[in-house]
Amino acid sequence: EVQLVESGGGLVQPGGSLRLSCAASGFTLSTNYMNWVRQAPGKGLEWVSIIYSDSSTNYADSVKGRFTISRDNSKNTLYLQMNSLRPEDTAVYYCARRGYSGYDFDYWGQGTLVTVSS
Amino acid sequence: QTVVTQEPSFSVSPGGTVTLTCGLSSGSVSTTFYPSWYQQTPGRAPRALIYNTSTRSSGVPDRFSGSILGNKAALTITGAQADDESDYHCVLYMGSGIWVFGGGTKLTVL
Repeated sequence: EVQLVESGGGLVQPGGSLRLSCAASGFTLSTNYMNWVRQAPGKGLEWVSIIYSDSSTNYADSVKGRFTISRDNSKNTLYLQMNSLRPEDTAVYYCARRGYSGYDFDYWGQGTLVTVSS
Repeated sequence: QTVVTQEPSFSVSPGGTVTLTCGLSSGSVSTTFYPSWYQQTPGRAPRALIYNTSTRSSGVPDRFSGSILGNKAALTITGAQADDESDYHCVLYMGSGIWVFGGGTKLTVL
């Protein structure tokens, strides 16, 4: 059974850093495209970042240069390093696996809340 | 900056049919955007419904269907049930490894 479990969220001051983790089970992370998607309180979903099976990455303009996606194949875990955090980064962050078409998201974690506030 | 548009809210009667749409602020949605749809209830993670315009995800009942209607992607629910009351999100692939979600539609069944 595919499972994704995020952790690492919390309260951080503006300008601070945080690293989110997404532990995967039931499949091999390194052979899949993995994404981070976030949802600000009361708002819609926002795609944040992707890491491909060849380890290439891409980011939404809103986080480019501040966030870094990576994975540890030995731990089957996905990460999101978030630096220079802003209040507008406050959101629930979900990890999501690429779906069958390669352009959708079939499995999602339960999310972890990041709050950026002084 | 391309904006993906969805109706903010919609209502449907139990047993009724509703079509939610997913458009672009500029231009038309086609299959080359690989539209997909997700259902989300408050406090829960999104659940995949439709991918690649019209293919149902595993376990999704056939009263959910996806299509292109005119210049938009569409999600149609036929025979709406009370537990279909949720937020529905669409996402489009913009190319160059970029995805953009719409703002979501809050569906009320009453």
